[in-house]
Amino acid sequence: EPEVTQTPSHQVTQMGQEVILRCVPISNHLYFYWYRQILGQKVEFLVSFYNNEISEKSEIFDDQFSVERPDGSNFTLKIRSTKLEDSAMYFCASSRNRVVDTEAFFGQGTRLTVV
Amino acid sequence: AQKVTQAQTEISVVEKEDVTLDCVYETRDTTYYLFWYKQPPSGELVFLIRRNSFDEQNEISGRYSWNFQKSTSSFNFTITASQVVDSAVYFCALSEVNSGGGADGLTFGKGTHLIIQP
Repeated sequence: EPEVTQTPSHQVTQMGQEVILRCVPISNHLYFYWYRQILGQKVEFLVSFYNNEISEKSEIFDDQFSVERPDGSNFTLKIRSTKLEDSAMYFCASSRNRVVDTEAFFGQGTRLTVV
Repeated sequence: AQKVTQAQTEISVVEKEDVTLDCVYETRDTTYYLFWYKQPPSGELVFLIRRNSFDEQNEISGRYSWNFQKSTSSFNFTITASQVVDSAVYFCALSEVNSGGGADGLTFGKGTHLIIQP
C-alpha cells in the first residue's frame, strides 16, 4: 500500500542551526501538508502546498519556515534558525485531491529535538 | 475561528466494554468537514473517517461508529467491544472550506488518550 515517507525519523540539532525535514508524498497525490505536534499536545497545521505554491499557512508558519518541492518526488520543510520551542514531531501529509474530496495520509513523523 | 474540543483527556476501560469519545466543534461556516484520526503508541496518524456537514447520517464500520449531531455541534466516536489494540490517542479534527473553495488545513482537538486494559 502506498505511504508517505519521512526522513529522518529523529533529528537532533543545536539551537540556531538550520534543519531540513524531508518527505516523499504518495506518488499520485497533488496536495501536500506539514503539521507539527509538540510532545503531549495537539497536532497543529503549519502549511499546505499545491501546484508549486503555498495554498494556506497558519500563524505558526512564520518567516523562519519555508517549504519546497525541489523535484518530482520530495517535499521539504526548512527551519532556518531553530529555537528550543521548535522541538516537536513534524508530520508530512499528502492527499490526491483537496481535503474536501479525499482523506490526507500522514507519514510516520520526524521527531525534531533542538538542544 | 474554528475550534475542536475533546474534553476527555484520558479514558480507561476494561477490554470488551463499549466506549464513547466526545468531540465538540465550533465553526462559523455552513460547509465544513469533520475527521477522526488514531495515533497509536508508534506515533503515526491513521485516518478513520471523514464526514461533511451536510451528511448527518450516522456511520458504522465494524466495531466503530460515529454520531454526528449538527444541533449540538458534536461528532462522537464509539468503539464497541473494545480491544487492547484500540489503545491509542484519538484526535477529532475540523476543516472549513477556504475562500478558494477547497478545504486545506485541519484543526485538531487535543486528543483523548484511550487505554484498554486486558
